[in-house]
Amino acid sequence: ILNVEQSPQSLHVQEGDSTNFTCSFPSSNFYALHWYRWETAKSPEALFVMTLNGDEKKKGRISATLNTKEGYSYLYIKGSQPEDSATYLCAYTSGSARQLTFGSGTQLTVLP
Amino acid sequence: DAGVIQSPRHEVTEMGQEVTLRCKPISGHDYLFWYRQTMMRGLELLIYFNNNVPIDDSGMPEDRFSAKMPNASFSTLKIQPSEPRDSAVYFCASSLRGGVNEQYFGPGTRLTVT
Repeated sequence: ILNVEQSPQSLHVQEGDSTNFTCSFPSSNFYALHWYRWETAKSPEALFVMTLNGDEKKKGRISATLNTKEGYSYLYIKGSQPEDSATYLCAYTSGSARQLTFGSGTQLTVLP
Repeated sequence: DAGVIQSPRHEVTEMGQEVTLRCKPISGHDYLFWYRQTMMRGLELLIYFNNNVPIDDSGMPEDRFSAKMPNASFSTLKIQPSEPRDSAVYFCASSLRGGVNEQYFGPGTRLTVT
């Protein structure tokens, strides 16, 4: 994997459902993996930054895991609510780089 | 803190005109990033600064684009001359110590070039 890839591209779930999406990134020379939440007509907001293999982070109903050896991260949303509707971006940085390479995002729509 | 401040929020200009976008990062942050969001390419990095010094401008599309950071609290992105294909939302973001810490994004400037 040369770039950051996210799947699925879009997702519709019913209110109350739990869901998860995937971010794949190059496993070599890993430095940090970021997750951002981006609501329509707003700017991206950071959810998590993870640096260690096996890291798990949680914020309310949203959690994320990290596997740096195989190059993937999962974002989980438990009991989705309509206000969770947004695009979820992951971003990766490697080695000595300080800039992020963003994936194309997963667009989540939670139907009431 | 007021967060990252960008101005203007919306800019409509005619092809060939000069456009200047402005950004004030969060006080104390040592990294500043300029991004462009388009439907085709998503969120792409244009240039970033560390301690006011440009580090990587490989994402700047062409010579019509230039960016400066004369001091720690101000940066500009200039397009001269502007073209319709430059129409996009331009975001500025700042962070402390770069990749290991989250970036804080400004509200963006929506640029329309007619």
